Amino acid sequence: GESVGLHLPTLSVQEGDNSIINCAYSNSASDYFIWYKQESGKGPQFIIDIRSNMDKRQGQRVTVLLNKTVKHLSLQIAATQPGDSAVYFCAETGGNTGKLIFGQGTTLQVKP
Amino acid sequence: DTAVSQTPKYLVTQMGNDKSIKCEQNLGHDTMYWYKQDSKKFLKIMFSYNNKELIINETVPNRFSPKSPDKAHLNLHINSLELGDSAVYFCASSHTTGPYEQYFGPGTRLTVT
Repeated sequence: GESVGLHLPTLSVQEGDNSIINCAYSNSASDYFIWYKQESGKGPQFIIDIRSNMDKRQGQRVTVLLNKTVKHLSLQIAATQPGDSAVYFCAETGGNTGKLIFGQGTTLQVKP
Repeated sequence: DTAVSQTPKYLVTQMGNDKSIKCEQNLGHDTMYWYKQDSKKFLKIMFSYNNKELIINETVPNRFSPKSPDKAHLNLHINSLELGDSAVYFCASSHTTGPYEQYFGPGTRLTVT
């Protein structure tokens, strides 16, 4: 069935280090992928997205990499800050309904 | 300016009651969604509407009924609440139906006792 999963439930990094959060997806028909950040008590916040015709996209301090061959997605956060502490979700969709399928989430903990 | 707003933020009620959650977006988007987030943080889509037309209707008990009076509003009515309905419900919106980023509201924490 459809599923989007994350390899690690919790990632702990030192402030200033780079963080890499991974995601595996199973639906090869998916053509749009999004990363969301969810802080405690808040709704998911859009970080960055990527379409299947790209393999890399950069934002401010964030980079998303897409490897369609192995159906793998990653989010890289440069110079991780305490404010980056949150749960990160990858999500995928294909077709025209906009139905997002979310992964289980990775908790990022930033140590000062 | 709040882009996607939901009311109430917290809702505590007893089993068997009927309750509604309201959602409004001021982004001018055509499509709105309801998601449920369980205690393990798993997010799952329930419904979506595009300009008042139902697009996505996942396997959700028919006690849940979405209502879209206009494209800026999508409400969720739940009949005969059960303990298992306890969760955080998020409303979201996107420019239109399809592969576009979705903007989420702050969530409504529903607790059924």
